[in-house]
Amino acid sequence: GAVVSQHPSWVICKSGTSVKIECRSLDFQATTMFWYRQFPKQSLMLMATSNEGSKATYEQGVEKDKFLINHASLTLSTLTVTSAHPEDSSFYICSGRQGGSNEKLFFGSGTQLSVL
Amino acid sequence: DAKTTQPTSMDCAEGRAANLPCNHSTISGNEYVYWYRQIHSQGPQYIIHGLKNNETNEMASLIITEDRKSSTLILPHATLRDTAVYYCIVRVDFGNEKLTFGTGTRLTIIP
Repeated sequence: GAVVSQHPSWVICKSGTSVKIECRSLDFQATTMFWYRQFPKQSLMLMATSNEGSKATYEQGVEKDKFLINHASLTLSTLTVTSAHPEDSSFYICSGRQGGSNEKLFFGSGTQLSVL
Repeated sequence: DAKTTQPTSMDCAEGRAANLPCNHSTISGNEYVYWYRQIHSQGPQYIIHGLKNNETNEMASLIITEDRKSSTLILPHATLRDTAVYYCIVRVDFGNEKLTFGTGTRLTIIP
């Protein structure tokens, strides 16, 4: 099946620094990518939706200036957590979808972010 | 999107069939039933999806009631590696970008 590669798997950073998470679709072109956040023992919460070449659409309550999303190509999307704080510590997951169908939306393996 | 209701947790003995129910009484005619699972500290994994007919693949079977208000995911011979949170989601197949996750069912396979 299609593969979405997400890096890094985990990252520890100091408060105030920025962290970039990469999400690549390895064997398909992801016209749409989704970014989720998951706190311990909770479900996935959608943060934003990005379409290649256009600005991301953020969910209510998600700060677009804090969580910068770039989807410059059909195989790469990045999420940058700017000026990270301890409350941003979470599990971040990306997913990619080929074309317009929701069939078999493919997910990355996630990134555990810990902000000290 | 239609809302789904799943039990919070379930146990199943290793080697037995695991039957995971999902209620989606407000599902509309063009919405599919999707199942994903998430093993601890990993991204979700697609399992199966269907519209109204029962579906089977190498991982599982999906049984959808005739009125489409509920469905059951069946793992025919559960193994310890099937321990995960299972999410039932109803979605249209095209358009409307979001895929919204509920709380899911935490399935524990007992040795």
